[in-house]
Amino acid sequence: AQTVTQSQPEMSVQEAETVTLSCTYDTSESDYYLFWYKQPPSRQMILVIRQEAYKQQNATENRFSVNFQKAAKSFSLKISDSQLGDAAMYFCAYGDGGATNKLIFGTGTLLAVQP
Amino acid sequence: DAGVIQSPRHEVTEMGQEVTLRCKPISGHNSLFWYRQTMMRGLELLIYFNNNVPIDDSGMPEDRFSAKMPNASFSTLKIQPSEPRDSAVYFCASSLKGTQYFGPGTRLTVL
Repeated sequence: AQTVTQSQPEMSVQEAETVTLSCTYDTSESDYYLFWYKQPPSRQMILVIRQEAYKQQNATENRFSVNFQKAAKSFSLKISDSQLGDAAMYFCAYGDGGATNKLIFGTGTLLAVQP
Repeated sequence: DAGVIQSPRHEVTEMGQEVTLRCKPISGHNSLFWYRQTMMRGLELLIYFNNNVPIDDSGMPEDRFSAKMPNASFSTLKIQPSEPRDSAVYFCASSLKGTQYFGPGTRLTVL
């Protein structure tokens, strides 16, 4: 069975600095998707970024980028120029490539941004 | 697109009452998911539908919980009778081609 592990329960970063959140996963599949979701205090689950496993190029969305290492089964999120609004719980998730559309979530990393 | 719509956004009820949560998925999405989130248990998948058909309800905690999807535009999650331990935030999400988009959630408080 697939699993997703986020080993950092909490992280802190200074405003305008860069922070990297870690995620590892386990699967025997070759075709899958990986996601980062953000959950601010409002509780809304917001899709931050998505990576298809068959793509070697790392996904980027403005200040958010990933480091996808398929062989190592690692999928970290880098947030550049951190802003106060980035403070949130961040969840890493694994998807099975559309066969079921189900996602398996990690336990989350709570990111604090210090002014 | 309006995104996934959930109602009500907040619900306060008394133990023993019936609670119905509603969800309108994004038009064209073929999968719909119901989640529950609490501090103690995190984010739990309760049930999901593909093309309006329930596929996996193994996450439904007990018979007091039921979910329906009568058409592609609407789903309900019902709790009858409700108990204080059902207090949580309930999310609906819809998906097409593997990416899930979440609604704003319903915060349920059972007194």
